[in-house]
Amino acid sequence: EVQLLESGGGLVQPGGSLRLSCAASGFSFSAYAMNWVRQAPGKGLEWVSGISKSGVNTYYAEALKGQFTISRDNSKNTLYLQMNNLRAEDTAIYYCAKERFMTTVADNFDYWGQGTLVTVSS
Amino acid sequence: DIQMTQSPSTLSASVGDRVTITCRASQNIKFWLAWYQQKPGKPPKLLIYETSSLESGVPSRFSGSGSGTEFTLTIGSLQPDDFATYYCQHYVGYSATFGQGTKVEIK
Repeated sequence: EVQLLESGGGLVQPGGSLRLSCAASGFSFSAYAMNWVRQAPGKGLEWVSGISKSGVNTYYAEALKGQFTISRDNSKNTLYLQMNNLRAEDTAIYYCAKERFMTTVADNFDYWGQGTLVTVSS
Repeated sequence: DIQMTQSPSTLSASVGDRVTITCRASQNIKFWLAWYQQKPGKPPKLLIYETSSLESGVPSRFSGSGSGTEFTLTIGSLQPDDFATYYCQHYVGYSATFGQGTKVEIK
């Protein structure tokens, strides 16, 4: 059974940093690209970032380039999102999502974690 | 950037109704469109990819169609489990964009 378990969320002050983790199990982690998608409270979905299965290639939503860094450790079956210079508008549930196909990045997401809440507030 | 616009934003329907949700793209996206269902407090669930391909395990009452700039998600006969928010998603060139969502409510 595919499982994705996010952690690392919490309350952070504006301008602060946070690193999210997503522990994957139940599938060959290194065979699939992975993504982060966020959802502000009561709002819609926003794709944040994607990373190739090797970790060599990374992709970001235009507005978040330079602020967030995605990475992965295939030896630990874990995906990461380093978030810097956080602002109130970054407050959201952050989901990690598995790519459906082995050959794509930021296409279709067939498994999602339960999400971790990041709250940016003073 | 390509914008995805869903309509309606909210839809009231009864069990057994045929429901159609529309997603319009600001430019031609060919058939690179997916649909997701999300229930309160839960992550989204992939229903359809590449406009009309049904994800494994998704009931056949769900179907997708369209091409270019206009796409639809149809629920053939609405079931109690289908009351949720639905999102379309465009994907191309290592980037993804979601529509704003359509909430399907009980009438």
